[in-house]
Amino acid sequence: DAGVIQSPRHEVTEMGQEVTLRCKPISGHNSLFWYRQTMMRGLELLIYFNNNVPIDDSGMPEDRFSAKMPNASFSTLKIQPSEPRDSAVYFCASSLDRGAGANVLTFGAGSRLTVL
Amino acid sequence: GENVEQHPSTLSVQEGDSAVIKCTYSDSASNYFPWYKQELGKRPQLIIDIRSNVGEKKDQRIAVTLNKTAKHFSLHITETQPEDSAVYFCAASSNYQLIWGAGTKLIIKP
Repeated sequence: DAGVIQSPRHEVTEMGQEVTLRCKPISGHNSLFWYRQTMMRGLELLIYFNNNVPIDDSGMPEDRFSAKMPNASFSTLKIQPSEPRDSAVYFCASSLDRGAGANVLTFGAGSRLTVL
Repeated sequence: GENVEQHPSTLSVQEGDSAVIKCTYSDSASNYFPWYKQELGKRPQLIIDIRSNVGEKKDQRIAVTLNKTAKHFSLHITETQPEDSAVYFCAASSNYQLIWGAGTKLIIKP
């Protein structure tokens, strides 16, 4: 398996623009997480999907952020409109929700977002 | 809510010496305790984990110990090498959500 695949790896955009980050989880994993990492706040869980259904979105900062998982192999995180304070590395991670590998997160390489 | 405290925030050791990083958690229902290593500019990667039915687990130079009574767990790295330099995160979980420590920056001095 190629692991968790994220795109783009780097995104530089201007304030007010829409940003879409993409994630392909490991095949067979039924839990998917979006995290944001900054020096100031560390790793923050934004949203958790289980079997393609959003279970916990309490970490989504505000209405400018939205996430979807239309099928088991694809998820998006959208920011509209983007602001400079959204600059961070966004990680997608996936895992199984049961069995010996339950909760063992595998992270993607991350998407580094810079909003000017 | 659940909280995980990690100490120290920075640890500098001589190459070849041992390093110990400690974490405490608040939720007594926590039953899964992973450790992740994150090198500069890279993704967090799982290096070792322990579940609450065991007290210690080893993998070559790395070991994790768990004390459920005291609600703390520790990462031990022996014979440290330059490639051990990274930020290490502990976490605790009782369900789907990992509660993360703030991280320890480990510096290996030559």
